[in-house]
Amino acid sequence: ETGVTQSPTHLIKTRGQQVTLRCSSQSGHNTVSWYQQALGQGPQFIFQYYREEENGRGNFPPRFSGLQFPNYSSELNVNALELDDSALYLCASSRDPGERDEQYFGPGTRLTVT
Amino acid sequence: AQSVTQPDIHITVSEGASLELRCNYSYGATPYLFWYVQSPGQGLQLLLKYFSGDTLVQGIKGFEAEFKRSQSSFNLRKPSVHWSDAAEYFCAAHGRGKLIFGQGTELSVKP
Repeated sequence: ETGVTQSPTHLIKTRGQQVTLRCSSQSGHNTVSWYQQALGQGPQFIFQYYREEENGRGNFPPRFSGLQFPNYSSELNVNALELDDSALYLCASSRDPGERDEQYFGPGTRLTVT
Repeated sequence: AQSVTQPDIHITVSEGASLELRCNYSYGATPYLFWYVQSPGQGLQLLLKYFSGDTLVQGIKGFEAEFKRSQSSFNLRKPSVHWSDAAEYFCAAHGRGKLIFGQGTELSVKP
């Protein structure tokens, strides 16, 4: 059983640019959640996708957007990058969006904005 | 608002000593609670979870946690720490489809 994978591992972008991060969910999982983890902080929920539809969103501006594909993989897009967007971006997949469904995390993508 | 607090930012223990990491939550109903561990450069690994029932839950790697409703706490314990336990530990609550994390406690282990 393949776990959650994310690409790329590291990324350096300039302020104002746009970035796309990718996540492949674990086999059999239809739900993907994205989290932002700033240095020295706990992960913060960005949004969740369930069966290709957004299923909840945290306190992040609209320039953070996402997609989920028919194979349940997902993308996180961030437009107009700001310095404060520098963080580790974690993707997690689960069988369903329910509270009892364990979320399995990928290794993350480290984004640096200069 | 739902929140999770980990009062200790950094803890150092000697190898072989016991460990307790504190976690307090603020939640309107019975929360679903989790402890995760994160090694440098890695994602999060689930150590244990509490949904209901027995308030003492066992997890992987010899960890356990006790849910105390009266104290709104869910502290993580291990009787004997190994050097490989050095990592960042996060307590989390599941609310309305999302995990709410504490700030984390960094554990260092002295030889």
